[in-house]
Amino acid sequence: DIQMTQSPSTLSASVGDRVTITCRASQSISSWLAWYQQKPGKAPKVLIYKASSLESGVPSRFSGSGSGTEFTLTISSLQPDDFATYYCQQYKDYSRTFGQGTKVEIK
Amino acid sequence: QVQLQESGPGLVKPSGTLSLTCAVSGGSISSSNWWSWVRQPPGKGLEWIGEIYHSESTNYNPSLKSRVTISVDKSKNQFSLKLSSVTAADTAVYYCAREAAAGYGMDVWGQGTTVTVSS
Repeated sequence: DIQMTQSPSTLSASVGDRVTITCRASQSISSWLAWYQQKPGKAPKVLIYKASSLESGVPSRFSGSGSGTEFTLTISSLQPDDFATYYCQQYKDYSRTFGQGTKVEIK
Repeated sequence: QVQLQESGPGLVKPSGTLSLTCAVSGGSISSSNWWSWVRQPPGKGLEWIGEIYHSESTNYNPSLKSRVTISVDKSKNQFSLKLSSVTAADTAVYYCAREAAAGYGMDVWGQGTTVTVSS
Protein backbone atom coordinates (compact mmCIF):
# COMPACT_ATOMS: atom_id res chain seq x y z
CA ASP A 1 0.00 0.00 0.00
CA ILE A 2 1.11 3.54 -0.72
CA GLN A 3 1.20 5.71 2.42
CA MET A 4 0.79 9.48 2.29
CA THR A 5 2.32 11.68 5.01
CA GLN A 6 1.40 15.34 5.33
CA SER A 7 3.25 18.02 7.25
CA PRO A 8 2.58 19.90 9.32
CA SER A 9 -0.52 18.44 11.00
CA THR A 10 -1.57 21.89 12.14
CA LEU A 11 -0.52 25.27 10.83
CA SER A 12 -1.26 28.65 12.42
CA ALA A 13 -1.22 31.57 10.01
CA SER A 14 -2.59 35.04 9.46
CA VAL A 15 -4.60 36.51 6.61
CA GLY A 16 -2.21 37.45 3.84
CA ASP A 17 0.43 34.86 4.76
CA ARG A 18 1.98 32.53 2.20
CA VAL A 19 1.24 28.97 3.32
CA THR A 20 2.88 25.74 2.19
CA ILE A 21 1.74 22.21 3.00
CA THR A 22 3.88 19.18 2.12
CA CYS A 23 2.76 15.68 1.21
CA ARG A 24 5.16 12.75 0.85
CA ALA A 25 4.36 9.40 -0.74
CA SER A 26 5.96 6.15 0.42
CA GLN A 27 6.78 5.33 -3.22
CA SER A 28 6.72 7.18 -6.50
CA ILE A 29 3.26 8.14 -7.70
CA SER A 30 4.45 10.21 -10.68
CA SER A 31 2.03 13.18 -10.74
CA TRP A 32 -1.03 11.27 -9.63
CA LEU A 33 -1.92 13.52 -6.70
CA ALA A 34 -4.91 15.65 -5.77
CA TRP A 35 -5.44 18.21 -3.03
CA TYR A 36 -8.74 18.80 -1.25
CA GLN A 37 -10.10 21.43 1.13
CA GLN A 38 -12.62 20.43 3.78
CA LYS A 39 -14.58 22.68 6.11
CA PRO A 40 -16.37 21.38 9.24
CA GLY A 41 -19.53 19.46 8.45
CA LYS A 42 -18.96 19.68 4.70
CA ALA A 43 -17.77 17.33 2.00
CA PRO A 44 -14.24 17.80 0.66
CA LYS A 45 -13.69 20.01 -2.38
CA VAL A 46 -11.02 19.27 -4.96
CA LEU A 47 -8.54 22.10 -5.48
CA ILE A 48 -5.72 20.56 -7.51
CA TYR A 49 -5.44 17.38 -9.60
CA LYS A 50 -2.50 15.77 -11.39
CA ALA A 51 -0.26 17.49 -8.83
CA SER A 52 -0.41 20.95 -10.40
CA SER A 53 -3.63 21.38 -12.40
CA LEU A 54 -6.06 23.87 -10.88
CA GLU A 55 -9.67 22.67 -10.71
CA SER A 56 -12.11 24.92 -12.53
CA GLY A 57 -13.46 27.68 -10.29
CA VAL A 58 -10.69 27.42 -7.69
CA PRO A 59 -8.93 30.73 -6.95
CA SER A 60 -5.50 31.15 -8.50
CA ARG A 61 -3.90 31.76 -5.08
CA PHE A 62 -3.90 27.96 -4.77
CA SER A 63 -1.12 26.10 -6.55
CA GLY A 64 0.38 22.64 -6.47
CA SER A 65 3.78 21.30 -7.40
CA GLY A 66 5.91 18.20 -7.20
CA SER A 67 6.25 14.75 -8.68
CA GLY A 68 7.49 11.35 -7.63
CA THR A 69 7.28 11.28 -3.85
CA GLU A 70 7.22 14.92 -2.72
CA PHE A 71 4.45 17.40 -3.33
CA THR A 72 3.41 20.82 -2.06
CA LEU A 73 0.23 22.84 -1.89
CA THR A 74 0.80 26.58 -1.68
CA ILE A 75 -1.68 29.31 -0.84
CA SER A 76 -0.02 32.53 -1.99
CA SER A 77 -2.02 34.91 0.20
CA LEU A 78 -4.23 33.30 2.84
CA GLN A 79 -7.81 34.55 2.86
CA PRO A 80 -10.43 34.21 5.64
CA ASP A 81 -12.29 31.57 3.60
CA ASP A 82 -9.15 29.41 3.45
CA PHE A 83 -9.12 28.39 7.12
CA ALA A 84 -9.94 24.69 6.76
CA THR A 85 -8.37 21.24 6.70
CA TYR A 86 -6.43 20.17 3.61
CA TYR A 87 -5.85 16.62 2.40
CA CYS A 88 -3.63 15.17 -0.27
CA GLN A 89 -4.73 12.02 -2.07
CA GLN A 90 -2.77 9.70 -4.35
CA TYR A 91 -4.21 7.63 -7.15
CA LYS A 92 -1.94 4.99 -8.62
CA ASP A 93 -2.33 1.36 -9.46
CA TYR A 94 -6.11 1.36 -8.99
CA SER A 95 -5.81 2.46 -5.36
CA ARG A 96 -6.42 5.70 -3.55
CA THR A 97 -4.96 6.90 -0.24
CA PHE A 98 -5.47 10.16 1.62
CA GLY A 99 -2.94 11.94 3.78
CA GLN A 100 -3.87 12.48 7.41
CA GLY A 101 -4.77 16.13 6.85
CA THR A 102 -3.37 19.58 7.69
CA LYS A 103 -5.54 21.97 9.66
CA VAL A 104 -4.92 25.63 8.84
CA GLU A 105 -5.88 27.74 11.84
CA ILE A 106 -6.09 31.44 12.51
CA LYS A 107 -2.97 32.76 14.27
CA GLN B 1 -24.77 19.45 -13.13
CA VAL B 2 -24.22 16.06 -11.56
CA GLN B 3 -25.40 15.68 -7.97
CA LEU B 4 -24.99 12.77 -5.59
CA GLN B 5 -27.20 11.82 -2.64
CA GLU B 6 -26.42 9.12 -0.08
CA SER B 7 -29.17 7.20 1.69
CA GLY B 8 -29.42 4.32 4.12
CA PRO B 9 -29.84 3.40 7.78
CA GLY B 10 -28.16 5.69 10.27
CA LEU B 11 -27.78 2.95 12.86
CA VAL B 12 -26.36 -0.53 12.34
CA LYS B 13 -25.84 -3.22 14.97
CA PRO B 14 -22.37 -4.65 15.62
CA SER B 15 -21.59 -7.68 13.42
CA GLY B 16 -24.28 -6.56 11.01
CA THR B 17 -23.99 -5.24 7.45
CA LEU B 18 -23.92 -1.55 6.59
CA SER B 19 -25.77 -0.80 3.36
CA LEU B 20 -25.79 2.58 1.63
CA THR B 21 -26.94 3.83 -1.75
CA CYS B 22 -25.77 6.83 -3.75
CA ALA B 23 -28.30 8.25 -6.21
CA VAL B 24 -26.83 10.05 -9.23
CA SER B 25 -28.84 12.92 -10.72
CA GLY B 26 -28.06 15.32 -13.55
CA GLY B 27 -25.95 12.76 -15.35
CA SER B 28 -25.60 9.09 -16.16
CA ILE B 29 -23.82 6.53 -14.05
CA SER B 30 -22.80 4.92 -17.33
CA SER B 31 -20.62 7.88 -18.25
CA SER B 32 -16.83 7.48 -18.22
CA ASN B 33 -16.38 8.08 -14.51
CA TRP B 34 -15.32 6.13 -11.48
CA TRP B 35 -17.76 6.24 -8.55
CA SER B 36 -16.25 6.07 -5.08
CA TRP B 37 -17.10 5.66 -1.41
CA VAL B 38 -15.08 7.57 1.19
CA ARG B 39 -15.61 7.65 4.95
CA GLN B 40 -14.57 9.88 7.83
CA PRO B 41 -14.72 8.71 11.46
CA PRO B 42 -15.66 11.41 13.97
CA GLY B 43 -12.83 13.90 14.36
CA LYS B 44 -10.53 11.96 12.01
CA GLY B 45 -9.33 12.05 8.43
CA LEU B 46 -10.66 10.68 5.16
CA GLU B 47 -10.44 7.00 4.22
CA TRP B 48 -11.06 5.73 0.70
CA ILE B 49 -13.23 2.60 0.74
CA GLY B 50 -13.42 1.67 -2.92
CA GLU B 51 -14.76 2.52 -6.36
CA ILE B 52 -16.73 1.13 -9.28
CA TYR B 53 -16.92 1.83 -13.01
CA HIS B 54 -20.17 1.43 -14.94
CA SER B 55 -18.75 -1.72 -16.46
CA GLU B 56 -18.85 -3.00 -12.89
CA SER B 57 -15.08 -3.12 -12.56
CA THR B 58 -14.18 -2.43 -8.92
CA ASN B 59 -11.16 -1.48 -6.83
CA TYR B 60 -11.13 -1.69 -3.04
CA ASN B 61 -9.01 -0.47 -0.13
CA PRO B 62 -6.90 -3.53 0.77
CA SER B 63 -7.59 -3.00 4.48
CA LEU B 64 -11.36 -3.30 3.92
CA LYS B 65 -11.46 -5.55 0.86
CA SER B 66 -12.61 -8.67 2.68
CA ARG B 67 -15.71 -6.88 4.00
CA VAL B 68 -16.66 -4.51 1.16
CA THR B 69 -18.87 -4.89 -1.89
CA ILE B 70 -19.63 -1.99 -4.23
CA SER B 71 -22.22 -2.50 -6.95
CA VAL B 72 -23.97 -0.42 -9.60
CA ASP B 73 -27.63 -0.37 -10.68
CA LYS B 74 -27.74 1.27 -14.09
CA SER B 75 -31.54 1.08 -14.29
CA LYS B 76 -31.82 3.23 -11.16
CA ASN B 77 -28.75 5.36 -11.91
CA GLN B 78 -27.23 4.59 -8.55
CA PHE B 79 -24.43 2.68 -6.89
CA SER B 80 -24.25 0.99 -3.51
CA LEU B 81 -21.94 0.05 -0.68
CA LYS B 82 -22.16 -2.99 1.56
CA LEU B 83 -19.78 -3.36 4.49
CA SER B 84 -20.11 -6.55 6.50
CA SER B 85 -19.15 -7.54 10.05
CA VAL B 86 -19.21 -3.94 11.24
CA THR B 87 -17.83 -2.78 14.58
CA ALA B 88 -17.80 0.55 16.39
CA ALA B 89 -14.68 1.42 14.36
CA ASP B 90 -16.89 1.62 11.27
CA THR B 91 -18.87 4.52 12.75
CA ALA B 92 -18.29 7.42 10.37
CA VAL B 93 -19.71 9.89 7.91
CA TYR B 94 -19.91 8.05 4.59
CA TYR B 95 -19.55 10.03 1.36
CA CYS B 96 -20.09 8.98 -2.22
CA ALA B 97 -18.07 10.80 -4.85
CA ARG B 98 -17.36 10.94 -8.57
CA GLU B 99 -13.90 10.85 -10.11
CA ALA B 100 -14.31 12.62 -13.45
CA ALA B 101 -11.58 10.48 -14.99
CA ALA B 102 -8.72 8.48 -13.62
CA GLY B 103 -6.31 10.93 -12.11
CA TYR B 104 -8.61 13.95 -12.09
CA GLY B 105 -9.56 13.82 -8.43
CA MET B 106 -13.05 13.47 -6.96
CA ASP B 107 -14.87 16.49 -8.29
CA VAL B 108 -18.45 15.81 -7.17
CA TRP B 109 -19.41 14.69 -3.66
CA GLY B 110 -22.59 13.82 -1.84
CA GLN B 111 -23.36 15.68 1.37
CA GLY B 112 -22.45 12.63 3.45
CA THR B 113 -24.51 10.40 5.72
CA THR B 114 -23.68 9.48 9.30
CA VAL B 115 -23.68 5.81 10.19
CA THR B 116 -23.34 4.74 13.81
CA VAL B 117 -22.56 1.16 14.78
CA SER B 118 -24.13 0.44 18.13
CA SER B 119 -26.39 -2.08 19.80
